[in-house]
Amino acid sequence: DGGITQSPKYLFRKEGQNVTLSCEQNLNHDAMYWYRQDPGQGLRLIYYSQIVNDFQKGDIAEGYSVSREKKESFPLTVTSAQKNPTAFYLCASSIVLSGNTIYFGEGSWLTVV
Amino acid sequence: QQPVQSPQAVILREGEDAVINCSSSKALYSVHWYRQKHGEAPVFLMILLKGGEQKGHEKISASFNEKKQQSSLYLTASQLSYSGTYFCGTELDSLSTSGTYKYIFGTGTRLKVLA
Repeated sequence: DGGITQSPKYLFRKEGQNVTLSCEQNLNHDAMYWYRQDPGQGLRLIYYSQIVNDFQKGDIAEGYSVSREKKESFPLTVTSAQKNPTAFYLCASSIVLSGNTIYFGEGSWLTVV
Repeated sequence: QQPVQSPQAVILREGEDAVINCSSSKALYSVHWYRQKHGEAPVFLMILLKGGEQKGHEKISASFNEKKQQSSLYLTASQLSYSGTYFCGTELDSLSTSGTYKYIFGTGTRLKVLA
């Protein structure tokens, strides 16, 4: 079945370490997104990409980095520069055509210990 | 730019009705509604594209006002399974205008249905 796979589901990180969250989709979508969600908060856009080898910063890109080397993959690296990285991270994808919905992965919980 | 939702939280008894609002200072190209259970991915409910549109079924429906700056989600005769956080989402900067394309979401409304 088509969908979006995020891994790992749960991740613990020591302060000062970089971690990478994986996001793979087999929906043949051109656009991919990363959102951050804090407890009781909404979804905030970190980075998004409309095409391979191109991506744009969202509203809270500081301390994060991404790559888009393949259409189906959009990994997110949480760097040591991100001061408060503990959150729930959601990857999503969509067709680049207005009026279409966005599809989400199951999410990854990142906790700094 | 982020749409504002109201109320922030609501508690209902089973069988009661609720309305969740999503407002923007600018006209929205579209509005999408999602429900999210804690720690899970948001689940798509419906999308509205046209000003004045109403969509959905008897239990869960939504409207989009003529100016496309406000949408409301209507939950009728609520059930325990309706509990969760509801988000409205919208597409910004349609490809036909600036060439960029991205989704952003509202501030969220936490809904709790009690037995």
